[in-house]
Amino acid sequence: AQSVTQLDSHVSVSEGTPVLLRCNYSSSYSPSLFWYVQHPNKGLQLLLKYTSAATLVKGINGFEAEFKKSETSFHLTKPSAHMSDAAEYFCVVNLYNFNKFYFGSGTKLNVKP
Amino acid sequence: EAGVAQSPRYKIIEKRQSVAFWCNPISGHATLYWYQQILGQGPKLLIQFQNNGVVDDSQLPKDRFSAERLKGVDSTLKIQPAKLEDSAVYLCASSLRQKQETQYFGPGTRLLVL
Repeated sequence: AQSVTQLDSHVSVSEGTPVLLRCNYSSSYSPSLFWYVQHPNKGLQLLLKYTSAATLVKGINGFEAEFKKSETSFHLTKPSAHMSDAAEYFCVVNLYNFNKFYFGSGTKLNVKP
Repeated sequence: EAGVAQSPRYKIIEKRQSVAFWCNPISGHATLYWYQQILGQGPKLLIQFQNNGVVDDSQLPKDRFSAERLKGVDSTLKIQPAKLEDSAVYLCASSLRQKQETQYFGPGTRLLVL
């Protein structure tokens, strides 16, 4: 069985401060992991993905995530939040030998001026 | 490169009516997915096609939902009859192949069942 858990449903940060969005997964197999962002009334956009190469993955707009197998985590970070980062973020897990994508319940990021 | 197209963008119907959604994936993408996203939740996969064949429809409520991808390009998702709990955003996504591939999402169709 596999699942993905996003530990915070809402995160609020001030502009210019670091962002941390947490994601844990459970999987019996080596997973591939993704972070997607969804702005209001917009489609889901890929931020970054991990597929067994480097454990630190860099994505678009200054975001990065680190795959930690021992902690079964794939947390999303950004050193300095921008107002345009306000959106909902989804962590997604997929098994290598299957093609089922499981979405977390999402984390809404609010950025205060 | 054109993205994934979906129509309509919004639909309001009464319960027990039928409704259909259309999706045109990115050109050349063999795999097509339909997701249901209920307010406050993450998207849930309903059905996945590889070309015109169904790969996974384990979470599709087959008594009322149906989907097809004739000719392996466009796809339609139908609900008949609709229930109140079907109110959601229906997302279509496509990817070049299957395993580990990035999915590209359309803007979604927001359905409200009254």
